[in-house]
Amino acid sequence: DAKTTQPTSMDCAEGRAANLPCNHSTISGNEYVYWYRQIHSQGPQYIIHGLKNNETNEMASLIITEDRKSSTLILPHATLRDTAVYYCIVRVANYGQNFVFGPGTRLSVLP
Amino acid sequence: NAGVTQTPKFQVLKTGQSMTLQCAQDMNHNSMYWYRQDPGMGLRLIYYSASEGTTDKGEVPNGYNVSRLNKREFSLRLESAAPSQTSVYFCASVQGPGAFFGQGTRLTVV
Repeated sequence: DAKTTQPTSMDCAEGRAANLPCNHSTISGNEYVYWYRQIHSQGPQYIIHGLKNNETNEMASLIITEDRKSSTLILPHATLRDTAVYYCIVRVANYGQNFVFGPGTRLSVLP
Repeated sequence: NAGVTQTPKFQVLKTGQSMTLQCAQDMNHNSMYWYRQDPGMGLRLIYYSASEGTTDKGEVPNGYNVSRLNKREFSLRLESAAPSQTSVYFCASVQGPGAFFGQGTRLTVV
């Protein structure tokens, strides 16, 4: 079973920030939070991951609450190309550990 | 800079036929995975290989076999295809935090 809960769908206006929430209330101390996205029917694409500190890269920012029970992926200036299904995954960062994909959040960026 | 390459991209099989889906990665990763994705659903793990010479069952292994031929290649075999195996199949290789996925194989079993 997926260890995360995400809204089924969200809309965002082009150029605005997209904030995608994820609940992972049963996360263990050694589990990381990963975000992937899948555009149309392509293979999933890595976005960002973190353990307990907030993280930022060229694609997005990841905000993890202090109790680590939830997180938010932020796309600062959403474009039409960011329309995709976004997956939040918790996982121990070891070889052989599976990525469990739930249904994700379908983000629609609207012009 | 190919990353993860899957072949074929599309395939139609008749019920009972067999075939092998090929996956190769050029990133020298230890771990490789096979997933399937049915319409409107997330990915489900079929088999994985944590390192060369080892394979393990995932969530939905029935009807499939795998071979980790070497570090680069991880193949998925359907011995006797069934309509329930109609799906999109993704191969991934993993090193550290990132999983890198191929572009998928669309398989239809009629």
